[in-house]
Amino acid sequence: KNQVEQSPQSLIILEGKNCTLQCNYTVSPFSNLRWYKQDTGRGPVSLTIMTFSENTKSNGRYTATLDADTKQSSLHITASQLSDSASYICVVSGSNDYKLSFGAGTTVTVRA
Amino acid sequence: ETGVTQSPTHLIKTRGQQVTLRCSSQSGHNTVSWYQQALGQGPQFIFQYYREEENGRGNFPPRFSGLQFPNYSSELNVNALELDDSALYLCASSLGGLFSGNTIYFGEGSWLTVV
Repeated sequence: KNQVEQSPQSLIILEGKNCTLQCNYTVSPFSNLRWYKQDTGRGPVSLTIMTFSENTKSNGRYTATLDADTKQSSLHITASQLSDSASYICVVSGSNDYKLSFGAGTTVTVRA
Repeated sequence: ETGVTQSPTHLIKTRGQQVTLRCSSQSGHNTVSWYQQALGQGPQFIFQYYREEENGRGNFPPRFSGLQFPNYSSELNVNALELDDSALYLCASSLGGLFSGNTIYFGEGSWLTVV
């Protein structure tokens, strides 16, 4: 079973609207959680990194939240643009582990 | 631009053949990790190299092997290719291990098709 689950699998939004993506994880003990944006056929690009002591982190129109107690994170996209169309991947690292656990990603399509 | 470069960008191999993929990490980064990403799925961790030593491995068979060189560049080698090895192979570099809070930078990947 994957240790990082993302929802929804995909969503379509109109340009200018907001959306929120969810990430639930079971990785323990927890070290940090990252959100990446991946355009089709390209490598992932880092959006945010949060450790267990951080509740929120922003990067422009992207805001990530973290609740380490419930092992949940969200990524909020504000005032979406066509260029936001991509897959958004949640990545979790354990504090005594050497690897990253990836979610399957949420595919966001922004339409004019 | 992440400063991580991978080559080749695309290649086609025949089942049973061997392939070598290359990665140049961002300057100063001593950790390189490799991932396999099948179409429509998230990346899967293959292994990590820290200062030329493999110090972490995912659930991949021994025919997946790698090297890290003194300049921290890296290679991924896959022997006895199978059709299911067709995927995007991503290399990532960072300063320090993957469990650190440092940013991990990915390359654009190498698309491998096995026929």
